[in-house]
Amino acid sequence: TQLLEQSPQFLSIQEGENLTVYCNSSSVFSSLQWYRQEPGEGPVLLVTVVTGGEVKKLKRLTFQFGDARKDSSLHITAAQPGDTGLYLCAGLRAGNMLTFGGGTRLMVKP
Amino acid sequence: NAGVTQTPKFQVLKTGQSMTLQCAQDMNHNSMYWYRQDPGMGLRLIYYSASEGTTDKGEVPNGYNVSRLNKREFSLRLESAAPSQTSVYFCASSVTNWVGAYNEQFFGPGTRLTVL
Repeated sequence: TQLLEQSPQFLSIQEGENLTVYCNSSSVFSSLQWYRQEPGEGPVLLVTVVTGGEVKKLKRLTFQFGDARKDSSLHITAAQPGDTGLYLCAGLRAGNMLTFGGGTRLMVKP
Repeated sequence: NAGVTQTPKFQVLKTGQSMTLQCAQDMNHNSMYWYRQDPGMGLRLIYYSASEGTTDKGEVPNGYNVSRLNKREFSLRLESAAPSQTSVYFCASSVTNWVGAYNEQFFGPGTRLTVL
């Protein structure tokens, strides 16, 4: 079993819909990162959340870190085809190593 | 700046063959990492190098070796490839491994390896 569980694994929606991706763990992390990966490329960092309860907004993307620093969510408002990709959460743990979740593959159809 | 570069982009090996995956970064980062990515598994850390001259095992090191050649370059070697090592391999670098709660990693484009 993975230390970080992401859900859903796959999501296919129409342009303009809203969606939420979840990243859950039983472990506490000092911070939680969200990356986006496009086909044939490496992941690119979107945001880092550090404080329990923290909310960060990046245009139409809203990231939240759970109060206990064990879980996080990514909410996309009015999704666009350009949002299509693999979304990965990663928790920073002891030794400053990142542990990645299994990813959520999002497809936004026009 | 090219960021993180990896060679080759694609490779097909037969079981038992050896090969070295090359990685270089031009961002003057101290720390470098090798990950493998398998469907539904996210990225799993194979080895990392916190600074030039040091290397440490990650989550899945068996069957691999690494060399931190200098500050820029970090190579991953498969001595005797097995079908279970079929995967996409990513190299990453970060400014430092030991600062606070931030460890933004910059990834290369990946090497797609198939072992027959």
